[in-house]
This record gives sequence, structure tokens and C-alpha cells, in this order.
Amino acid sequence: DQQVKQNSPSLSVQEGRISILNCDYTNSMFDYFLWYKKYPAEGPTFLISISSIKDKNEDGRFTVFLNKSAKHLSLHIVPSQPGDSAVYFCAASENSGYALNFGKGTSLLVTP
Amino acid sequence: KAGVTQTPRYLIKTRGQQVTLSCSPISGHRSVSWYQQTPGQGLQFLFEYFSETQRNKGNFPGRFSGRQFSNSRSEMNVSTLELGDSALYLCASSLDVGRNEQFFGPGTRLTVL
Repeated sequence: DQQVKQNSPSLSVQEGRISILNCDYTNSMFDYFLWYKKYPAEGPTFLISISSIKDKNEDGRFTVFLNKSAKHLSLHIVPSQPGDSAVYFCAASENSGYALNFGKGTSLLVTP
Repeated sequence: KAGVTQTPRYLIKTRGQQVTLSCSPISGHRSVSWYQQTPGQGLQFLFEYFSETQRNKGNFPGRFSGRQFSNSRSEMNVSTLELGDSALYLCASSLDVGRNEQFFGPGTRLTVL
């Protein structure tokens, strides 16, 4: 049962534009959310996180927005760069544990 | 500081065999988690260890087991391998339990023939 869903398997964006990656979750007990980036042949790399007490967290070009009522979060990358081309995973965990529940990932391609 | 290392990087086994994968966390990290990544299911949590104790376990059959040693290094074992066990197995370490960032290793690619 997939509790974290990334419904877009792929996304293509032009360099300099905004990339918006979306994630939905079904478990209302999730209270901590993370985004990871993964290049081929490497493990996922942590990008940014957000706690359920916030609705926005910013780190440089990356901003994560959380809409608890809609059980939806999104990652905005502005401006997008070719080096951002990778698979992005959304993950969530419950307060009671630390196991990360991952979405299936969205493959982002940033074209020059 | 060296990152998370996993050995071996690639492994080919046949059905019915067993396999042991190894993970060395970042120095000073005491929590180790294991994940299975497949094209169909994405990244799925297997188990988490802290101070040699399993703290969390995902929804996998008993053929999947693990352990952690006093130096925080961890191993996972899969017995009676099935074709569906072919996957990338990722290990992640973090300083402590709780809301700490997990650092992932490059993974072990297991192929079951």
C-alpha cells in the first residue's frame, strides 16, 4: 500500500525556469517530510525537509511547500539548472518512528 | 569524512541461495537503516538498527533479517532467495534516532537468477 505517491514519473523543464515536483500522502500520522535527489549509480542525497508545524521551508534554490489539509507537498526549484537533472524522491515519516516511506520518484530533466 | 560504504556493490545469486550484504556507516553515526529499491515498488523500508537493536521493521517476510555490531556496522541477510528479491539494496546512516538526516550509501545491486 503506497502511502506516499508521486504521480508524475517524469518532468522536463527548460534551464532557468521553475521546476515543480509534487507529492501526495495518505497517512495523516506523517509529520515529517523530506525530499531526496538521486543520480544513477549513487544513493539518494538529502535535499530539504519540512516539519508538519510549518507550511514552507526554503534552502537556496529549493523550497518545499506543505499543505496538510490536502495531504500534499511540493518541491520548487528556481531557477532550474541542467545539474538538477536526477530522480527526486519524496519521503515521509511518523512521529512514532523514523522509518522513511518513499514515493516512487519523479525523473526531472532540465534542458539547456 | 568517509561516506556510507556498502559491499559488495554487485552480486549475482541463484534462487534458493542466501546472501549477506554489508554496510559501514559514517564514522560516529549510530543508526543504520536498510531499504529495498525496485522499479515497481520504489524505495521500501526494510529495518532500522540503533545500538545493536532493531528499532523498526518494514513489511517484509522473515527471510529478510539484519543485525548491527558494536561498531555500528550492519549486515542484512536474505535467505532462500526468490527472483523478486532482485533489487538495489540501500543502506542509510544517521547520527542518532529521531529527526536526523539519513545519509545513503551507493547500494548493492542484487540479481537473482
